Amino acid sequence: AQKVTQAQTEISVVEKEDVTLDCVYETRDTTYYLFWYKQPPSGELVFLIRRNSFDEQNEISGRYSWNFQKSTSSFNFTITASQVVDSAVYFCALSASGETSGSRLTFGEGTQLTVNP
Amino acid sequence: DTGVSQNPRHKITKRGQNVTFRCDPISEHNRLYWYRQTLGQGPEFLTYFQNEAQLEKSRLLSDRFSAERPKGSFSTLEIQRTEQGDSAMYLCASSYSGTGPYTGELFFGEGSRLTVL
Repeated sequence: AQKVTQAQTEISVVEKEDVTLDCVYETRDTTYYLFWYKQPPSGELVFLIRRNSFDEQNEISGRYSWNFQKSTSSFNFTITASQVVDSAVYFCALSASGETSGSRLTFGEGTQLTVNP
Repeated sequence: DTGVSQNPRHKITKRGQNVTFRCDPISEHNRLYWYRQTLGQGPEFLTYFQNEAQLEKSRLLSDRFSAERPKGSFSTLEIQRTEQGDSAMYLCASSYSGTGPYTGELFFGEGSRLTVL
């Protein structure tokens, strides 16, 4: 069975602060995929990033960066210089090797990020 | 708009009534997924189709739930004899699974919110 834990239910920061969203996962599969999705108030989940279990390189995309560490089963997400538009619920998700087509994503419970002006 | 479209966006019904939701995926996508999301939780997988074939169903999908994708394009999710516990956001997503590299990206619609009184 797979499990994703996002221990931070809510985070509130002031604009321009850096913020890190934590994600810890559990799986018995050796091949798996990790994702982050953003859910703004409109409700539509927006894909942010995918990593596979063999690629532990960290990734940076603009103000977003991701730190994948297999040793601690973590896939943390950092927003640098946060902006009000970053306010949303962020979900970490896992897809195991038996579902490489993404047929079943296991989501964490989400972290509500509020960026105050 | 070429994204995933869901209708209706909101549905209020009385307990015991039947409801049906429709999802129109991105046209070239051959995979279609249904997820359910309750307040403060992450989405939970219900079922998915590849073309018109329903390939996987979650244990969450009780006998009162049925999903179809008759022509491999749009899909419907019907809930019979609704219960208050069925109140949730029902999310549809689509993706393309082919000979190209796996991306894992699901494109989500804005969801259909069900309230059972």
